[in-house]
Amino acid sequence: DSGVTQTPKHLITATGQRVTLRCSPRSGDLSVYWYQQSLDQGLQFLIQYYNGEERAKGNILERFSAQQFPDLHSELNLSSLELGDSALYFCASSVLTSAEQFFGPGTRLTVL
Amino acid sequence: GIQVEQSPPDLILQEGANSTLRCNFSDSVNNLQWFHQNPWGQLINLFYIPSGTKQNGRLSATTVATERYSLLYISSSQTTDSGVYFCAPFGASYDKVIFGPGTSLSVIP
Repeated sequence: DSGVTQTPKHLITATGQRVTLRCSPRSGDLSVYWYQQSLDQGLQFLIQYYNGEERAKGNILERFSAQQFPDLHSELNLSSLELGDSALYFCASSVLTSAEQFFGPGTRLTVL
Repeated sequence: GIQVEQSPPDLILQEGANSTLRCNFSDSVNNLQWFHQNPWGQLINLFYIPSGTKQNGRLSATTVATERYSLLYISSSQTTDSGVYFCAPFGASYDKVIFGPGTSLSVIP
């Protein structure tokens, strides 16, 4: 158990819908990262927050947004969902940027 | 951006065999991590190793940052070692972690 929690574990929804994925980092970690893992794209970095501020952006679509709250938990919002958004979404946390990252169990999103 | 290559892409081992997985990266790095993704999808930290050599039980890793590669050694492999091994460098000139394509390992009894 890495200490990073993600909810829900599984999510099944329809095209065009909007979902919110939640992540709680390890105690003491200030940085939160979101990744998407799909069969054709591998593990892709989406976005990073550090102590509530956006720190780095990767291949995140405009339909996706994220934020980190004062209690340091983070949410990833996915809207206007498409079939291709079906993937495993991971959250990771670290004490500082560029420090060792610890991954949560992931949320498996299925868009039908 | 940084390019990350891992070799071999696939590996099948008999239980008890040893193996070496390689990660090459095209840019200088501040740190590098190795992960094991088990068949249930869980990503498990193996090493945080920006340079030098570390050992943890049957696994060890070496990163030679000046030559832009890292190696993961698995000795006396077990069926529970099966899964995908990813290296993930974090660069000096960029602030994102880039995952390699992974090495898929199957250990058969």
